[in-house]
Amino acid sequence: DGGITQSPKYLFRKEGQNVTLSCEQNLNHDAMYWYRQDPGQGLRLIYYSQIVNDFQKGDIAEGYSVSREKKESFPLTVTSAQKNPTAFYLCASSEGTDYSGNTIYFGEGSWLTVV
Amino acid sequence: GQNIDQPTEMTATEGAIVQINCTYQTSGFNGLFWYQQHAGEAPTFLSYNVLDGLEEKGRFSSFLSRSKGYSYLLLKELQMKDSASYLCAVRTASGGSYIPTFGRGTSLIVHP
Repeated sequence: DGGITQSPKYLFRKEGQNVTLSCEQNLNHDAMYWYRQDPGQGLRLIYYSQIVNDFQKGDIAEGYSVSREKKESFPLTVTSAQKNPTAFYLCASSEGTDYSGNTIYFGEGSWLTVV
Repeated sequence: GQNIDQPTEMTATEGAIVQINCTYQTSGFNGLFWYQQHAGEAPTFLSYNVLDGLEEKGRFSSFLSRSKGYSYLLLKELQMKDSASYLCAVRTASGGSYIPTFGRGTSLIVHP
């Protein structure tokens, strides 16, 4: 089945640790995104990538890093510099970003909790 | 920047009709999306409007007025399973990219 797979579903992080959230898609989409969602808030864009080996900062990129070495994969690292990382993280993809009418599809999300 | 406003919460009765409004202020408008999100789950795509008017899809319809910076999502024949958060997202054109910005979402509670 085609789709977007995120792992792990639940992750606990100790203070000062880096953690990496995995996102894989088999939709052959060029563009991939990472959003963060906090209770009572909308989705906020962390990073996006339009093509392999290229990515752009979103609205809240500080304390996060990404890579895009393969078309199918867009992992997100939450670094120790991110002071308030507890949130629901959503990975998404779309055919591209360079034309309108381009629908974004989401993975199932990853819950990250700092303990 | 962009400003997207939606009501925080709405309640409605099973079988009724509910209208969820979304207003926005933005430059370079290039389309508006509605997503449904059940608690703890990923958002799922409902509708897309780029021209003024009404788009109908089964029990759900979405309307757009670009001159007023206004959209609404209309849900008919409400069912209990429609209890969810509804996200309005506005796409703008920036440097050749079209990236959507999401509102805070409207939590809809459907009761018997």
